[in-house]
Amino acid sequence: KAGVTQTPRYLIKTRGQQVTLSCSPISGHRSVSWYQQTPGQGLQFLFEYFSETQRNKGNFPGRFSGRQFSNSRSEMNVSTLELGDSALYLCASSFQDRATDTQYFGPGTRLTVL
Amino acid sequence: AQSVTQLDSQVPVFEEAPVELRCNYSSSVSVYLFWYVQYPNQGLQLLLKYLSGSTLVKGINGFEAEFNKSQTSFHLRKPSVHISDTAEYFCAVSDGNNDMRFGAGTRLTVKP
Repeated sequence: KAGVTQTPRYLIKTRGQQVTLSCSPISGHRSVSWYQQTPGQGLQFLFEYFSETQRNKGNFPGRFSGRQFSNSRSEMNVSTLELGDSALYLCASSFQDRATDTQYFGPGTRLTVL
Repeated sequence: AQSVTQLDSQVPVFEEAPVELRCNYSSSVSVYLFWYVQYPNQGLQLLLKYLSGSTLVKGINGFEAEFNKSQTSFHLRKPSVHISDTAEYFCAVSDGNNDMRFGAGTRLTVKP
């Protein structure tokens, strides 16, 4: 079974630009969650999608958004990039519920904002 | 609201020595507990989880953890570590209703 894939793996952007990250979950998994990982703040939850609906949202500004498609693939978008958005963005998929099911993480997208 | 505290940010240990990574949580409801490991340049991987039943949970790679409700702890242990266990370890707590929190992580460094 193929694991969670994320594209691109590395990205360099400048302040003010926007970026879209993509995540393909494990086949059959309907829940996709996104996390931001930084050395200072650790692992912070962005949002979770289930059956194309945002089910849960972390404490991030509206510049961070996401969506999920009918095949469970998910994208997240960050608009008007700031230097502080530089981070590793991790996507995780689970069968139904990230709160009880095992989450399978992708390798992440390393975003650098200059 | 829940919270989770990993008491040690870094744990250095020699190869073949035992190790314990400490995790305490705070929650007003029943909890589900997880330990994940992150190797360099990779995503997180589940080591073990406690949902219910036996309080001693065995996971992959020889790790185990014990759920202690009275002490609100879920410490991770391994009797003999290897160089390959060098990684970042994350404890996580969930209320089962989509509220899940990760700890700040403990960096385990195994020295030869």
